[in-house]
Amino acid sequence: EDQVTQSPEALRLQEGESSSLNCSYTVSGLRGLFWYRQDPGKGPEFLFTLYSAGEEKEKERLKATLTKKESFLHITAPKPEDSATYLCAVQEGIGGKLIFGQGTELSVKP
Amino acid sequence: EAQVTQNPRYLITVTGKKLTVTCSQNMNHEYMSWYRQDPGLGLRQIYYSMNVEVTDKGDVPEGYKVSRKEKRNFPLILESPSPNQTSLYFCASSVRVDYGYTFGSGTRLTVV
Repeated sequence: EDQVTQSPEALRLQEGESSSLNCSYTVSGLRGLFWYRQDPGKGPEFLFTLYSAGEEKEKERLKATLTKKESFLHITAPKPEDSATYLCAVQEGIGGKLIFGQGTELSVKP
Repeated sequence: EAQVTQNPRYLITVTGKKLTVTCSQNMNHEYMSWYRQDPGLGLRQIYYSMNVEVTDKGDVPEGYKVSRKEKRNFPLILESPSPNQTSLYFCASSVRVDYGYTFGSGTRLTVV
């Protein structure tokens, strides 16, 4: 069965304390892995798409990487405004099915 | 402004009373999808559409219907809502199925 597992469930950081969020997946044919940010009461906001192992993408303090079994979202010197839930999603094959992980709730304290 | 618009934002209804949640996008996207989000269960896909008149089931389609008669609109229909359909619903669209999606602001549905 296709699965997407994110860890940790929650992460508390001090401002400036770098860390990583993990997304591990089991699908038979990865078409794309997505990272989203979701603020309370709002819809997810697209951050990155990764398509193949070894690929990396960056945006401000965020950097996403992909291996054959997992993806990491690295947060460098986070600020309080980076506090949100970060969601990972995986798309398999040629259809439109998308599987989301449970998310990691990040809290950055000043 | 490029966006996905859902209506209503909040809805309280009674068991068995048919309802429709509308979703419209102004980006000429071919791919549209509906999700529900529940505490502890995350986002789960209900239905998706890869083009006009082409729809398919996601992971939790039971109790829902969709239609895609025009490219911009993708309504979610609950023919006979039940309390277990109380949830936060999101519509999303994308120019391609393997591109990042733009999500709507959500519809919080309560069925009593």
